[in-house]
Amino acid sequence: AQSVTQLGSHVSVSEGALVLLRCNYSSSVPPYLFWYVQYPNQGLQLLLKYTTGATLVKGINGFEAEFKKSETSFHLTKPSAHMSDAAEYFCAVMTARGGYNKLIFGAGTRLAVHP
Amino acid sequence: EPEVTQTPSHQVTQMGQEVILRCVPISNHLYFYWYRQILGQKVEFLVSFYNNEISEKSEIFDDQFSVERPDGSNFTLKIRSTKLEDSAMYFCASSDGLNEKLFFGSGTQLSVL
Repeated sequence: AQSVTQLGSHVSVSEGALVLLRCNYSSSVPPYLFWYVQYPNQGLQLLLKYTTGATLVKGINGFEAEFKKSETSFHLTKPSAHMSDAAEYFCAVMTARGGYNKLIFGAGTRLAVHP
Repeated sequence: EPEVTQTPSHQVTQMGQEVILRCVPISNHLYFYWYRQILGQKVEFLVSFYNNEISEKSEIFDDQFSVERPDGSNFTLKIRSTKLEDSAMYFCASSDGLNEKLFFGSGTQLSVL
């Protein structure tokens, strides 16, 4: 069965600092992995995804994530945090594929960015 | 970008009452989902819906829950007799089935008193 673990429910960084949000997954099949972001009072927005091919994937707003099969990880990074990055971030693994798509989410990491 | 719309944004109800949460998925999408997030916990899958029937449901989705696509544009989640533990943020999502992207609504915060 698939599962996702996000290390750190809260992460705080200074503006301009590196952002690193950790995600480890468990999957019995080659995983499709996702990062979603939720800004206050908004829905979940797709940041980036890994399905097949290049293991370093780039998403919106300067975020990227690297799929590391040996470490079963899919950590999210951004070189330089901006105040507008403050939000909750969810890592997810997709189970069913083709047609309907079911996501298994991690517990989320709330990112705070301070001046 | 097209959006999934959910109404209301907040719903307060008394224990034992029925609630209906409403969603308008993206118009050309074929697959519909409900997820929920209890405060401080994970976003959990509830149910998926395609071709006017449930594709998959989780253990959470018991007989108190039902989904419907009454008119070709709305997708509703009904909780027949709410319990305190149903208090959560409920997210609707839709997809076109052609790729892996789910589009989520902004959620309905349900509070059961």
